[in-house]
Amino acid sequence: AQSVAQPEDQVNVAEGNPLTVKCTYSVSGNPYLFWYVQYPNRGLQFLLKYITGDNLVKGSYGFEAEFNKSQTSFHLKKPSALVSDSALYFCAVSLSGGYNKLIFGAGTRLAVHP
Amino acid sequence: GAVVSQHPSRVICKSGTSVKIECRSLDFQATTMFWYRQFPKQSLMLMATSNEGSKATYEQGVEKDKFLINHASLTLSTLTVTSAHPEDSSFYICSAREAGGAGELFFGEGSRLTVL
Repeated sequence: AQSVAQPEDQVNVAEGNPLTVKCTYSVSGNPYLFWYVQYPNRGLQFLLKYITGDNLVKGSYGFEAEFNKSQTSFHLKKPSALVSDSALYFCAVSLSGGYNKLIFGAGTRLAVHP
Repeated sequence: GAVVSQHPSRVICKSGTSVKIECRSLDFQATTMFWYRQFPKQSLMLMATSNEGSKATYEQGVEKDKFLINHASLTLSTLTVTSAHPEDSSFYICSAREAGGAGELFFGEGSRLTVL
C-alpha cells in the first residue's frame, strides 16, 4: 500500500538552531513528493516539491528537503529556525507520479522556542 | 502564486440542515479540484476528486449522497453537506489544479463547519 509516514508528532527546536522534520514514503514508481505548512485554522501553503533531478530541493521561507531514494525519505530542513516557523507540517506523495491526488502524512507540529 | 478562495471560512448550522461550501480559483482555471476533510490534530483525508463538467469521484467510505460535489465551471466547485449532523463537524479544505499549467495544486484557506 502506498503511504507516507511522519514519525514525529512534534519537533521542538530553539530559535537559531537547525531543524529537521522527517518523512518517509512507500509508493510504487517514481514519486512526486511535497511539503506543505499549515497555520491554525488556515489552508495548506506549498513549501517545496521533488519531481526529478537534484536530490536537494530548495523551497519557500528558507526551507529545503533532501530526496533519498535508497532510504525512501524526504526530510525537511532549515539551517536556522525562526519562532514564526512554528506550525503544522505535512509531507505528501502523489500516487503513481504526476500531480494526481495526494496522500498526506499525519503531520508534524514544529515548535520553535525563543 | 495562484489563489484559491473558500467561502464561508466558518459556518454554524443546525442539525438536519444543508450547508454549501464554495471553492474558487481566482486567477486561474482549474480542471480538477480536490476536497479534503481534516479532523482536529489529524491529517487531511481526501474525500473526492472533482472534474469540471463531469461527476465527482468519491473515495471509499465517503457518501456521495451526503457530500454533494458540483464542478460546474473551470473556476468553481461546491461541496454541499446535506442533512448535516454533529459528526459532520470538521475542517473542509479544497485544492485546485491549474489547467494546462505545471499541474501544481493550490489550497484554499479551509472552511470550518460546526453542526449543532
